[in-house]
Amino acid sequence: GENVEQHPSTLSVQEGDSAVIKCTYSDSASNYFPWYKQELGKGPQLIIDIRSNVGEKKDQRIAVTLNKTAKHFSLHITETQPEDSAVYFCAASRGGSYIPTFGRGTSLIVHP
Amino acid sequence: EAQVTQNPRYLITVTGKKLTVTCSQNMNHEYMSWYRQDPGLGLRQIYYSMNVEVTDKGDVPEGYKVSRKEKRNFPLILESPSPNQTSLYFCASSLNRGSAQYFGAGTRLSVL
Repeated sequence: GENVEQHPSTLSVQEGDSAVIKCTYSDSASNYFPWYKQELGKGPQLIIDIRSNVGEKKDQRIAVTLNKTAKHFSLHITETQPEDSAVYFCAASRGGSYIPTFGRGTSLIVHP
Repeated sequence: EAQVTQNPRYLITVTGKKLTVTCSQNMNHEYMSWYRQDPGLGLRQIYYSMNVEVTDKGDVPEGYKVSRKEKRNFPLILESPSPNQTSLYFCASSLNRGSAQYFGAGTRLSVL
């Protein structure tokens, strides 16, 4: 089955810096890669996603890049703010599957 | 407001006492699923449902049951809870497979 590795497990940055979280996946048939943000006491919330026919996608301060050859994808957050502090999860799934595989999460801490 | 509602939010019970966690979505989504979240392990899928009366096992189904009698509801049943089922549980729904999931706020379960 699919295996998703996520790094780092903890990331501490100063407000205004950029943050990068990386995930690798094992199943070359995976074609949908969402990123979720989980704030304390809440459920995960989708922040951005990318499909395998696209190499990069941006939404304001957030971007995701996908390298299908190397089987890895990354989340980039620019100009970080304290409200970006949360746990971020990546996931991967193949088109015919109802079972997405999640990474173990990255705790992002943005210091004011 | 589009949402996934879980109840209860917190539950303490004893080994062997049957319990049900309810989940309801108001987005007319086809696909619903249950996850458990444990420290260091990320999100693991327990069961999922593709539509009414259609359910299947996820990665960690042992000790759990589900039913999907109505499109909007997808309860999680623990017939005989054990301490290793102490966890944070999330219900999620999505329009179809391979699309973004919407998560509930979570149910924190402790089995003594």
